[in-house]
Amino acid sequence: DTGVSQDPRHKITKRGQNVTFRCDPISEHNRLYWYRQTLGQGPEFLTYFQNEAQLEKSRLLSDRFSAERPKGSFSTLEIQRTEQGDSAMYLCASIAGRLNTGELFFGEGSRLTVL
Amino acid sequence: KNEVEQSPQNLTAQEGEFITINCSYSVGISALHWLQQHPGGGIVSLFMLSSGKKKHGRLIATINIQEKHSSLHITASHPRDSAVYICAVREGGSEKLVFGKGTKLTVNP
Repeated sequence: DTGVSQDPRHKITKRGQNVTFRCDPISEHNRLYWYRQTLGQGPEFLTYFQNEAQLEKSRLLSDRFSAERPKGSFSTLEIQRTEQGDSAMYLCASIAGRLNTGELFFGEGSRLTVL
Repeated sequence: KNEVEQSPQNLTAQEGEFITINCSYSVGISALHWLQQHPGGGIVSLFMLSSGKKKHGRLIATINIQEKHSSLHITASHPRDSAVYICAVREGGSEKLVFGKGTKLTVNP
């Protein structure tokens, strides 16, 4: 399977713990996006990378959130000191070109539940 | 107020019916994406439009840039079309998408 993969698919954690999600994009895709989706809502933009450079971060991304894409391949999204409001589906997507030229490919998502 | 509004929020149809889902947006855009999300979370890209109309199988997507409106049509709907359909716009030269809340479609046999 050469699609976008995310790990873990599900994570249950206690408030205050740190969690890390990993995304492996399609190998030739230079742009990688992280989105967050809560129940009944559309995804919300968190951040995106072009190769290893993080080019934009949403105001939604508090200082407890950090994302990396160290070699321009896989990416990680870490949430420190989790809060119940962080419970959501975290989606990763990648694209070979730009959003007005190419097709966006999504992973299956990582569902976070903070107790 | 959400920049991207979809209607209806929920839609129930009988197998074989013609389906229309609408998307209106309030900002200048350079592209609009239609996406399909099945239960469990996986999202699949259906179309990327910047003008006119695109067709893929039983799916047709149209966009009117002047009216800031797009429609997704499904002909001869089937129960396997049951999913949430999401409209997302690329605002100007931005590299982020703004998403609608989605339209939940249920097609009954």
